[in-house]
Amino acid sequence: AQKITQTQPGMFVQEKEAVTLDCTYDTSDQSYGLFWYKQPSSGEMIFLIYQGSYDEQNATEGRYSLNFQKARKSANLVISASQLGDSAMYFCAMREADSWGKLQFGAGTQVVVTP
Amino acid sequence: DSGVTQTPKHLITATGQRVTLRCSPRSGDLSVYWYQQSLDQGLQFLIQYYNGEERAKGNILERFSAQQFPDLHSELNLSSLELGDSALYFCASSPRLAHNEQFFGPGTRLTVL
Repeated sequence: AQKITQTQPGMFVQEKEAVTLDCTYDTSDQSYGLFWYKQPSSGEMIFLIYQGSYDEQNATEGRYSLNFQKARKSANLVISASQLGDSAMYFCAMREADSWGKLQFGAGTQVVVTP
Repeated sequence: DSGVTQTPKHLITATGQRVTLRCSPRSGDLSVYWYQQSLDQGLQFLIQYYNGEERAKGNILERFSAQQFPDLHSELNLSSLELGDSALYFCASSPRLAHNEQFFGPGTRLTVL
């Protein structure tokens, strides 16, 4: 069964606007971690943000924030003030407690920022 | 630049051949992960090593094998290659077994003709 679901295959956003990328996950573990990575067209995977299941506050890193709703099992990424350089594929990933650190990725959301 | 290096950057080979992909983790990182990214399967975890020992295995084919050497670099060996093995292969590293961040290398793009 799919552990990470990203329902938006692609989206357009205007420069300077905020965008929310959806991610839902499925786990029976109490302890787990949620990650977002960015993959530009050049191909590298860039770590953006991490949220632990026991973290009380939503994680933020600069223009990135993670809207963590544990009961709904969702971990949406919010990018504020979009820039042209934000155009990329965005992946949500989960690490479960007994997984020794391996990440399970969603299918990704392609974001295109327009001027 | 994540500090993880992978060589070669591109590899083109024929079906039935064997190739070796190499990864050097960030200085001080003990854990190395291999992932495969293909169009039909997405990003999939293959295998993890920690300080020279295999720690976790994902959907890695029997034709694939890996190892981590005493200097902590890792190699992924792919043999009897098939067209479907064409993919981007990433290596990632982290300081510990389950650190809160994995640092990805630039990837090796393998094309099997």
